[in-house]
Amino acid sequence: NAGVMQNPRHLVRRRGQEARLRCSPMKGHSHVYWYRQLPEEGLKFMVYLQKENIIDESGMPKERFSAEFPKEGPSILRIQQVVRGDSAAYFCASSPPLGQGRLWEAFFGQGTRLTVV
Amino acid sequence: AQKITQTQPGMFVQEKEAVTLDCTYDTSDPSYGLFWYKQPSSGEMIFLIYQGSYDQQNATEGRYSLNFQKARKSANLVISASQLGDSAMYFCAMREGLVNNAGNMLTFGGGTRLMVKP
Repeated sequence: NAGVMQNPRHLVRRRGQEARLRCSPMKGHSHVYWYRQLPEEGLKFMVYLQKENIIDESGMPKERFSAEFPKEGPSILRIQQVVRGDSAAYFCASSPPLGQGRLWEAFFGQGTRLTVV
Repeated sequence: AQKITQTQPGMFVQEKEAVTLDCTYDTSDPSYGLFWYKQPSSGEMIFLIYQGSYDQQNATEGRYSLNFQKARKSANLVISASQLGDSAMYFCAMREGLVNNAGNMLTFGGGTRLMVKP
């Protein structure tokens, strides 16, 4: 049973380019969460998605950032026109449908380290 | 106010000794969960232990135990018999709103870097 898969593990972008980060949840999980970790800080919640729905995007910057979780395929976190301050580790977590599994379960992927040069 | 506070930016411990990493939290929700994660230098987030606000006993998982003091709103992690491989960042996190099951978003503290000395 594969865990949460994120790719790429490392991504380098020049200022102004677009970054696309992918997250495939664990098998059977229908909830995906994205977090950002700036250097020497804890993780900060960005967005919570279910299939084809954004449930909570209270942690997403208002501009340049978007997320989706289509019916088929991985969840995508998209950052347009990247700036140096976007350099961070981006983690995805997934959890089972509500009412299934242990209530608190959330499993993290290995993260994507974005470097903007 | 910070929801999760970890007051120790860095800690040293001698190999084979026990160490306590502090975590205090702030919530008005009666139903919440507290988590500890380990982040080694390779960067992944490794789940260590979980404590629910209604759990009667302190959680334990192998060498990890959680000293849960609800009235003080603290959830300290105790690592017994430290090993060199325990050197890492440790994060305390909280999930609120367990009753309404509104999702599994976590709020993290700033972390504590633990260094185990041989």
